[in-house]
Amino acid sequence: QSVLTQPPSVSAAPGQKVTISCSGSSSNIGNNYVSWYQQLPGTAPKLLIYENNKRPSGIPDRFSGSKSGTSATLGITGLQTGDEADYYCGTWDSSLSVAQVFGGGTKLTVL
Amino acid sequence: QLQLQESGPGLVKPSETLSLTCTVSGGSISSSSYYWGWIRQPPGKGLEWIGSIYYSGSTYYNPSLKSRVTISVDTSKNQFSLKLSSVTAADTAVYYCAREKYYDFWDWGQGTLVTVSS
Repeated sequence: QSVLTQPPSVSAAPGQKVTISCSGSSSNIGNNYVSWYQQLPGTAPKLLIYENNKRPSGIPDRFSGSKSGTSATLGITGLQTGDEADYYCGTWDSSLSVAQVFGGGTKLTVL
Repeated sequence: QLQLQESGPGLVKPSETLSLTCTVSGGSISSSSYYWGWIRQPPGKGLEWIGSIYYSGSTYYNPSLKSRVTISVDTSKNQFSLKLSSVTAADTAVYYCAREKYYDFWDWGQGTLVTVSS
């Protein structure tokens, strides 16, 4: 059972927009930055969003992040088949004697 | 271009110690801006952070694994290592090493599958 809760799966058609939620608590998301990772099939995760809403160099602006209270959201617009992947949120949790935590992951299917 | 490469045995017997090394190239492990971490992913499951180390040797570990984990660094070889003791089948996973900055994992190795089985 992950400390951060994500929906197991989401789906949308090419060209559409999708959002992925990440729910936590005051000990993690509520008081710390959130990052998002994309894991394409058979590959290592890749940092997609950091500090809630910043994109590393090379990440297209189709990807966006936001945070409100104890929840965070990843948004992807103009969906492409190449976006099919698992997406994970991550943050710091101060209630666990200091630990980094990830959500359980969300499988995005582009129909 | 920074690259990280995990290496070590792909098969470990139950109750033994899992040992992996991450070799960093294209950058110095002694950079003051970064920590270096280990993350694992059981087959078909999500990510679990194991622990991280600074080039000075300062470490912090996942509390759930802390009693079994040791992470060390060798700056002369630009490497850092993971030791996980008393392994069981539940420790079977792909193990990734990564470069960490402000609790974000910016660069990852390709991962290495470690199976715990007799």
